[in-house]
Amino acid sequence: NAGVTQTPKFRILKIGQSMTLQCTQDMNHNYMYWYRQDPGMGLKLIYYSVGAGITDKGEVPNGYNVSRSTTEDFPLRLELAAPSQTSVYFCASRTSGFYEQYFGPGTRLTVT
Amino acid sequence: AQTVTQSQPEMSVQEAETVTLSCTYDTSENNYYLFWYKQPPSRQMILVIRQEAYKQQNATENRFSVNFQKAAKSFSLKISDSQLGDTAMYFCAFTGAGSYQLTFGKGTKLSVIP
Repeated sequence: NAGVTQTPKFRILKIGQSMTLQCTQDMNHNYMYWYRQDPGMGLKLIYYSVGAGITDKGEVPNGYNVSRSTTEDFPLRLELAAPSQTSVYFCASRTSGFYEQYFGPGTRLTVT
Repeated sequence: AQTVTQSQPEMSVQEAETVTLSCTYDTSENNYYLFWYKQPPSRQMILVIRQEAYKQQNATENRFSVNFQKAAKSFSLKISDSQLGDTAMYFCAFTGAGSYQLTFGKGTKLSVIP
């Protein structure tokens, strides 16, 4: 099993550009999450999903959008990128009844 | 809202020695789960150990063990026989049973010195 995969690993965006961060898991997990990690900080939740077609906001959702059309995929969309969105982005998933989350390798995004 | 506090931003330990990382949390829930995650320089978040609040016995995974003090809301991680590969950021995390979210501390940077 590949677990949780994310693409791309690195990306540089110009202010105002848009992009989609891809996340796929092959563990048939119901729950999927997007976090951002800023330097010297822990992870903050952007959005999460409890199943296909169901998403909800986390702690820091502004400037982002998500969709969940399948169990496996949970893309994160950045519209009108801003320097404040420079961060490392992690996707994670877990299964029902178990609370530990499994993380992808992360995407380092720089907005200049 | 739950909060997780890691009061040691950085620590170091000699190879083969033992080190303890501290974590405290604040919650009004009675049923919850606690985790330690390791983030090496590769950036990958790796689950180290988990503890269910309803279990009195402290969790152990090989060289890693926890000291869970529910009344004090404390959840420390002990690493025995430290190895160079243990060099990493360590994050303490909390979730309430039935919650969808993990709340993370800010992390402790551990350096293992040869």
